[in-house]
Amino acid sequence: DVKVTQSSRYLVKRTGEKVFLECVQDMDHENMFWYRQDPGLGLRLIYFSYDVKMKEKGDIPEGYSVSREKKERFSLILESASTNQTSMYLCASSLNIANNEQFFGPGTRLTVL
Amino acid sequence: SQQGEEDPQALSIQEGENATMNCSYKTSINNLQWYRQNSGRGLVHLILIRSNEREKHSGRLRVTLDTSKKSSSLLITASRAADTASYFCATDAGETSGSRLTFGEGTQLTVNP
Repeated sequence: DVKVTQSSRYLVKRTGEKVFLECVQDMDHENMFWYRQDPGLGLRLIYFSYDVKMKEKGDIPEGYSVSREKKERFSLILESASTNQTSMYLCASSLNIANNEQFFGPGTRLTVL
Repeated sequence: SQQGEEDPQALSIQEGENATMNCSYKTSINNLQWYRQNSGRGLVHLILIRSNEREKHSGRLRVTLDTSKKSSSLLITASRAADTASYFCATDAGETSGSRLTFGEGTQLTVNP
C-alpha cells in the first residue's frame, strides 16, 4: 500500500515565522501535490511537482514555496506565516500522468496566531 | 478554479437506505474520480471512471458518467453508519492539466444508525 506521511498532524506558529511542512511518499511516485482545505472552499491546489527539482504553481501559490530535492519528499514552505494561512494542509502523490489517482497524507492542521 | 460541483452539499439518511451524490463539471475530461474524507483526515480514493466509460461498480459503490451532460453520480447502496464522511469528485482535464485534479467542494453524508 502507498503510504504518504506528513511531518505533523497539528502545528501552531506565530505570524512572521517561517514554516516547513514535510511530506514523504514511499512508492516511487512521480507526482506530488500540496493542497489547502478550508470550509466552504474545498481543496485548493497550492503547488505540485512532476519530478525531482521540478515545481508548478497551482491555483493559490501566493505566500508559499516548495522544494523537491528527492523524489520521495515534497516540502511546503511558508516564508512568513500569516493568520490567513491557518488551514488544513494536505499532501498527495500519484504514480504518473497515466495513473493519476491520488494518495493523500493525513493532513496537517496549521494554526497561525 | 474548482470545476467539479457536488450536489447536494449535505445529505442525511437512515442506515440501509441508498445515498446518491451528483457531480457536474465544465470542461472535457480524461477521467473523473471520487474520493472520501473522514472528518479531519486525508482523502481516500474510491473509484475512477474514464471518459469512455458510462458506469462502474466497486462493492456497494456505483458510479455513472454522462459526458454529454458533463455530470457524474455516486450511488452508495445499503448505507452504513461507517459511510458517514465527505465525498468529493475530482476531474482530470487530460493533457492540458498534466496530472493535476480539480476537486469539488464535496457532499457531507450522514448515515444515521
